[in-house]
Amino acid sequence: AQSVTQPDIHITVSEGASLELRCNYSYGATPYLFWYVQSPGQGLQLLLKYFSGDTLVQGIKGFEAEFKRSQSSFNLRKPSVHWSDAAEYFCAVGFPTGGFKTIFGAGTRLFVKA
Amino acid sequence: EAGVVQSPRYKIIEKKQPVAFWCNPISGHNTLYWYLQNLGQGPELLIRYENEEAVDDSQLPKDRFSAERLKGVDSTLKIQPAELGDSAVYLCASSPRGNTEAFFGQGTRLTVV
Repeated sequence: AQSVTQPDIHITVSEGASLELRCNYSYGATPYLFWYVQSPGQGLQLLLKYFSGDTLVQGIKGFEAEFKRSQSSFNLRKPSVHWSDAAEYFCAVGFPTGGFKTIFGAGTRLFVKA
Repeated sequence: EAGVVQSPRYKIIEKKQPVAFWCNPISGHNTLYWYLQNLGQGPELLIRYENEEAVDDSQLPKDRFSAERLKGVDSTLKIQPAELGDSAVYLCASSPRGNTEAFFGQGTRLTVV
């Protein structure tokens, strides 16, 4: 069955430090992979997505993610975190099934300290 | 371009009462989703529409939940009767036909007391 695992419930980083959020998925074929961000009281906003091609994907707000098929991973990175990045981050895997279905991970809450 | 609009933003009701949520998707988006997001969890799909047809409602608890998308535009999600465990955020999202990216509304936070 398809699933998404985000091993870290929450992460705290200092402003200006680098960030990596982990995501592992389970899916039999090449997946569609997404990272969304959710600020308090808001809906989800797409940061980036991977469908095929270059395994290093650039997104908005300075984020990037790398697809590693051998590890079934799609980790999100940012070289220098800003206080405004504090939010909940969701990894998701999508697959065609009579349309298109997306399964979300449980999320990682990012705290940024000054 | 206006995004996905949901109302109300917040709703507090007593258990056993009915409640309804409304969603207006982005203009031209054929696909509409309703998701349930429990505290500390990722969104879980309740129902997906392609135009006015519900193509995936396997996760919708049909004994108390219902949804409709008349004319393939706006949609409403109803719970009757509500239970304490229904307290959550209900998210609506839409996407263009054949597009895998979903655009989310701000959600409706339901509290059942």
